[in-house]
Amino acid sequence: DAGVIQSPRHEVTEMGQEVTLRCKLISGHNSLFWYRQTMMRGLELLIYFNNNVPIDDSGMPEDRFSAKMPNASFSTLKIQPSEPRDSAVYFCASSLGLTSGVGGELFFGEGSRLTVL
Amino acid sequence: GQQVMQIPQYQHVQEGEDFTTYCNSSTTLSNIQWYKQRPGGHPVFLIQLVKSGEVKKQKRLTFQFGEAKKNSSLHITATQTTDVGTYFCAESLNTGTASKLTFGTGTRLQVTL
Repeated sequence: DAGVIQSPRHEVTEMGQEVTLRCKLISGHNSLFWYRQTMMRGLELLIYFNNNVPIDDSGMPEDRFSAKMPNASFSTLKIQPSEPRDSAVYFCASSLGLTSGVGGELFFGEGSRLTVL
Repeated sequence: GQQVMQIPQYQHVQEGEDFTTYCNSSTTLSNIQWYKQRPGGHPVFLIQLVKSGEVKKQKRLTFQFGEAKKNSSLHITATQTTDVGTYFCAESLNTGTASKLTFGTGTRLQVTL
């Protein structure tokens, strides 16, 4: 079975450009998480969805960041305009959500490494 | 907000030595998960602990959840070079219909021969 699929794997762009990262969930999963990983700040939760609805976006750094889930299997994270400090690895992860009141394990994609020059 | 601290930040051991990483939260946890991330890779789920005082084993790995459900530990017996990576705990907060996972700061393990 295919796992969580992210694209692009690597992106190098210039400051001010728009960046769109994509994520395809594992079939049947209903929770979707976007994380950002840097050496300085570790793994930060940016936003998560349940059944296509954003539940908590308090981790989104600022208005330049937006995330959508147009259907049950796909999500995008957009940065517009991008800045050098946005350089990081962005991970998408999906899970089955709550089962008997207990959260399920996360399945991570391989990440999108973003470099903003 | 939630703060999940892990200690140590980094540990370097010789193959065959034991290793332990500790995870401490400022709040009582619903449950806790542990993940391993190899260098250049993505986090991979290891285990979930739900009950107070719970202890689970996976071969050379032993996971423990504190009685007060505010801390957890991962112990590796007789480390091998394949254990190299960063180990994260992640605290789970149920928000009605979903579960929010906040990762700890991680402990990077280096194992040399």
